[in-house]
Amino acid sequence: DQQVKQNSPSLSVQEGRISILNCDYTNSMFDYFLWYKKYPAEGPTFLISISSIKDKNEDGRFTVFLNKSAKHLSLHIVPSQPGDSAVYFCAAGSPWGTSYGKLTFGQGTILTVHP
Amino acid sequence: GAVVSQHPSRVICKSGTSVKIECRSLDFQATTMFWYRQFPKQSLMLMATSNEGSKATYEQGVEKDKFLINHASLTLSTLTVTSAHPEDSSFYICSARDAKIQGSNQPQHFGDGTRLSIL
Repeated sequence: DQQVKQNSPSLSVQEGRISILNCDYTNSMFDYFLWYKKYPAEGPTFLISISSIKDKNEDGRFTVFLNKSAKHLSLHIVPSQPGDSAVYFCAAGSPWGTSYGKLTFGQGTILTVHP
Repeated sequence: GAVVSQHPSRVICKSGTSVKIECRSLDFQATTMFWYRQFPKQSLMLMATSNEGSKATYEQGVEKDKFLINHASLTLSTLTVTSAHPEDSSFYICSARDAKIQGSNQPQHFGDGTRLSIL
């Protein structure tokens, strides 16, 4: 079963506007969440993370929001730039037992930012 | 930033061939590395966790004898796909955790992946 889901395969946004990427999870044992960005023919690069004790984390143009009760997180990019066009993966981890250090990934969302 | 080098980037070979993929942490030491597999338009699926100096731990459904993992040093893990067949064709990608950073929630640093095509 897919424990981390990104239900939007793609998102198209105009340059300068806000991009909102969404992610849902089912496993209540997850207690930290990360967003990765991936360009074609490259590995994912870490963008931003959030711990379950927080509901918001901000880093420059990137903000991640976590709603634990809804098991939902989102990545906001403001303002969006053409260079942000890439595949964005949501990932979740748990510190418990055999899951320590492991990440579960969503399917990814292709973001296209138009000039 | 932390750099992970994965080699080769692409392999095309005949059915029955064994293929070795290397994953190196270039500027940090990694006691733990992870191997993932990604099918088109799907998420990265964890195959196994590579532990320096000990046996790898495999996820459910992953054949240990098919996907041999060796983590001989703090900067190198290898994945060998033994007797590869067309159904093994996929995108394989490794990641590493910095041994100096404590805590389960540190980000993993990824290589650029290996596109394996078995004819």
